[in-house]
Amino acid sequence: DGGITQSPKYLFRKEGQNVTLSCEQNLNHDAMYWYRQDPGQGLRLIYYSQIVNDFQKGDIAEGYSVSREKKESFPLTVTSAQKNPTAFYLCASSTISGLHGYTFGSGTRLTVV
Amino acid sequence: AQTVTQSQPEMSVQEAETVTLSCTYDTSESDYYLFWYKQPPSRQMILVIRQEAYKQQNATENRFSVNFQKAAKSFSLKISDSQLGDAAMYFCAYRSAIRAGANSKLTFGKGITLSVRP
Repeated sequence: DGGITQSPKYLFRKEGQNVTLSCEQNLNHDAMYWYRQDPGQGLRLIYYSQIVNDFQKGDIAEGYSVSREKKESFPLTVTSAQKNPTAFYLCASSTISGLHGYTFGSGTRLTVV
Repeated sequence: AQTVTQSQPEMSVQEAETVTLSCTYDTSESDYYLFWYKQPPSRQMILVIRQEAYKQQNATENRFSVNFQKAAKSFSLKISDSQLGDAAMYFCAYRSAIRAGANSKLTFGKGITLSVRP
C-alpha cells in the first residue's frame, strides 16, 4: 500500500545535539512538507519542497534544515539552534495540484532531555 | 496571506446526535480548496472531506457534510449520527488553487477538540 513513513516514532535529544527525522513516501508525490504541532497552536509549516534538489522555508524554519535528494525522501534535521524543539512533527506529501489535500505520516514526537 | 480561524476550542455532542464545527477563513483569491482533517488520539491526520471553491454544491461523505458559504468565507463541518469514534481534534485547512511556491502549502486553523458522550 502507498503511504508515508515517518521514523522514529519517539526521539529524545540532548541539549546541543542535532537530530534527524526521517520521512519517506511511495505515493509518487512531487511535493513534501514538514509541519510542527504544538498544543493550542495548530500546525505550522517548517519547510516544503515541490521538486528534487529544491526546497523553501516555511513560517518557522529557524533552527531546522532539510534536504531533498530523492523524490521519495525529505528528512528534517533539528539543529542545536532550535531553542524549543520539543513538539510533534508531521511530514506530508501531495500532488503538485494539491486538489486532494495532503497525505500525512504518523508523526515523530521529539523531546529534549 | 490567508488565515483560517476556528473559534471554538472544544465541543461536545451526545452519541447519535448531530454537531456542527465552525470554520472561517480570509483570502483574496477566488479559486481554492478547503479541507477538514481529523486527528484522533493516535495523532494520525485523516482527511475527512474536501471542497473546491468553484463548486457551489456542498460536499458530503457519508455522515460528514459541509456548509460552504463562499461570500461569507465560512466552511462548517456537520457530523450526523455522531459515534464514539468521532471523538478527535478536527482541523480546517485552506489551500490556494495556484500550484507554485508558497501557495502550495496548506494553512490550518488551530483545531477544535470534539468529545462524544455515550
